[in-house]
Amino acid sequence: EAGVTQFPSHSVIEKGQTVTLRCDPISGHDNLYWYRRVMGKEIKFLLHFVKESKQDESGMPNNRFLAERTGGTYSTLKVQPAELEDSGVYFCASSLLAGAGTDTQYFGPGTRLTVL
Amino acid sequence: GENVEQHPSTLSVQEGDSAVIKCTYSDSASNYFPWYKQELGKRPQLIIDIRSNVGEKKDQRIAVTLNKTAKHFSLHITETQPEDSAVYFCAATPSGGSYIPTFGRGTSLIVHP
Repeated sequence: EAGVTQFPSHSVIEKGQTVTLRCDPISGHDNLYWYRRVMGKEIKFLLHFVKESKQDESGMPNNRFLAERTGGTYSTLKVQPAELEDSGVYFCASSLLAGAGTDTQYFGPGTRLTVL
Repeated sequence: GENVEQHPSTLSVQEGDSAVIKCTYSDSASNYFPWYKQELGKRPQLIIDIRSNVGEKKDQRIAVTLNKTAKHFSLHITETQPEDSAVYFCAATPSGGSYIPTFGRGTSLIVHP
C-alpha cells in the first residue's frame, strides 16, 4: 500500500511569491490533515478535511493560506503571498475513519518550505 | 485549548542504556496519546499509543505509561540501540470535537554506540 505522498519535497521561494504544496493521502482515507513544524517547535495543526469538506480550519494562520481538497482525494495548500515566517516543514497526514479520534494518522514525508 | 509540554528537548545516551521522555497535558478531556518517531529525513511514524482507560502499554523495548490524575505520560525505551536515534513527538488527542492532536515540541534522542 502506498503511503501519504507530498510534493515538492523542498521549495525555496522569495518573499511575496506564491507556492502550492500537494498532498496525496492513502487511498480511501476520508480524513486529511495539514500541519506545520517550525524548527525546534511543535508540529502545529493547520486544518482538517473530511472528504472534500473542511472540518476544522482553526489552525490556519491567516488568509494568505488556502487549502482545497476537490473531489475528496488529493489536497493542495497554497500560500500567497509568502512571508518569511511561513518557512517550516509542512506535513500532511491521513486517517481512515471520519469521527474516530483514536484512528491512526499516517504522515507524509513533508515539504520543507524556505522563504527568503 | 490543549497544551502539551515535552521534556527533555535533547537526550543523549549510551547504547544499551534506557531513555525516558516525559509529556504533560492540560486538557482532562484528552483520552488518546500517540507517540511518533521521526528519523532524520523521514516521515513521523506512530510507534506506540495509549488510551486513557489503560495505565501502561508495552511493545518489545518500548513502553508508555499514563497518569490521568497528574495529566502526564511517558515513553520508555530500554536497551537503546543506535537506530533508536530520532526525534520523538508525543501528542494528546481530545475525546470530542474534531479529534485534533496537540503535539509536544519533540525530543531529539541520540544513542551513542
